[in-house]
Amino acid sequence: QLQLQESGPGLVKPSETLSLTCTVSGDSISSTDYYWGWIRQPPGKGLEWVGSVYYSGNTFYDPSLKSRTTIYVDTSKNQFSLRLSSVTAVDSAVYYCARHPISWAYFDYWGQGTLVTVSS
Amino acid sequence: DIQMTQSPSTLSASVGDRVTITCRTSQSINYWLAWYQQKPGKAPRILIYKASNLESGVPSRFSGSGSGTEFTLTISSLQPDDFATYYCQHYNSYTLTWMFGQGTKVEIK
Repeated sequence: QLQLQESGPGLVKPSETLSLTCTVSGDSISSTDYYWGWIRQPPGKGLEWVGSVYYSGNTFYDPSLKSRTTIYVDTSKNQFSLRLSSVTAVDSAVYYCARHPISWAYFDYWGQGTLVTVSS
Repeated sequence: DIQMTQSPSTLSASVGDRVTITCRTSQSINYWLAWYQQKPGKAPRILIYKASNLESGVPSRFSGSGSGTEFTLTISSLQPDDFATYYCQHYNSYTLTWMFGQGTKVEIK
């Protein structure tokens, strides 16, 4: 059974860098059939795609976040990670990691999500 | 950029009602549209992919239709477990980006 688990600090100071890791179990992150993505949801608001990565390292980012976002994979650990720099309060959200099949363009497996609050 | 509008934002309905949620895009997206259900404190759950394909394990009362710029999610007979928020999601194959609709909260009438 595929499982994704987010981990990282729950509190980040303004102007610093948010760093999260998604650990994948039950499937190989090196599969050629999937992208691996990050989606966030501010409290009480809707879903926002942040970006995705392929096992080879190819990345795709939301244009509004692209200048501050880095997503990368560590195939040896079966993990992928998100770094979001220069954060402000508007970056406070539940961050989900998810798998999405290349052929079908939707997110089929999700982590449980982790709340990150940006505050001094 | 392709704009996506989901409506209504809130919907009040009773058990047994037929419910329809719409997602419209500013340009044709062919069939690249998915629908999710989200309950409070939980991750979204895929219901429909590629406009009309029912994900395995999803009850058959859920259905999706549409192509081009207008898509609908229909719940044929609303059940107590269906009160939740629903999102559409689009994939832009030209820009390689994904986008979610604003969400529709289905409430008990």
